[in-house]
Amino acid sequence: AQRVTQPEKLLSVFKGAPVELKCNYSYSGSPELFWYVQYSRQRLQLLLRHISRESIKGFTADLNKGETSFHLKKPFAQEEDSAMYYCALKMTSGSRLTFGEGTQLTVNP
Amino acid sequence: GAGVSQSPRYKVAKRGQDVALRCDPISGHVSLFWYQQALGQGPEFLTYFQNEAQLDKSGLPSDRFFAERPEGSVSTLKIQRTQQEDSAVYLCASSPRQGANTGELFFGEGSRLTVL
Repeated sequence: AQRVTQPEKLLSVFKGAPVELKCNYSYSGSPELFWYVQYSRQRLQLLLRHISRESIKGFTADLNKGETSFHLKKPFAQEEDSAMYYCALKMTSGSRLTFGEGTQLTVNP
Repeated sequence: GAGVSQSPRYKVAKRGQDVALRCDPISGHVSLFWYQQALGQGPEFLTYFQNEAQLDKSGLPSDRFFAERPEGSVSTLKIQRTQQEDSAVYLCASSPRQGANTGELFFGEGSRLTVL
C-alpha cells in the first residue's frame, strides 16, 4: 500500500532563512505528488504538483524517484509562509490522495 | 458561492446519535471526495463519487458510515450510532476532472464533529 511520511511535525525558521520540508513516500508504481497548504483559518489548498514543475510563492519541489522523496524548498522564508503543509500522493490509476501527517511551519520575524 | 461549501461547520453529538454532514461542491465538478481528519493527523480518504456513482468506498471505517450523492451534485455523509472515535474534521473536496485525472482537489472548510 502507498504511504507518505513527513518526519517533522514542527519546523521553525527565521525570516530570510532557507526552509526544507521533507516528504518521503512508498509506492511501487509511478506516483503523482502534491504539496497542499493550510494557512490559519483557511481551507486546504493546492500549493504545487510535481508534474507542473513550477515555482509557486517561491516554493519548489523535485520528485526524486531514487530516494522516493518530494521535499519542498524555499530559499528565503517569509512570515506569511507560516502554515500547515501536507505532502500527498496519487497513484497512477487511482483518484484518491494519500496524505502525510503534515508539518507545521513557523517563520519567526 | 465560488467554493466548496460544507454544513454544519460544527456538530456536537451524544454517543449513539446519528449525524448527517452536507457538502455542496463547486458547480459542474464531477468528482467528489470525503476525507476524515483526526486531530494532529493528515486527511484520510473515506469515499469517492464520480457524478452520482460511488466508485470507491473502501475508506469508510465501518458500516455505520454511509455517503450518497443522488443527483450528482450535493453529497451527504451520514454516521449512524456515533462513537467517540468518530470525532474528527470531515472534509469534502471536489474536482472538475474524473478518475485518474482528478488532479487538483478543491476543499471545503470542513465539518468538525465532536462526539461526547
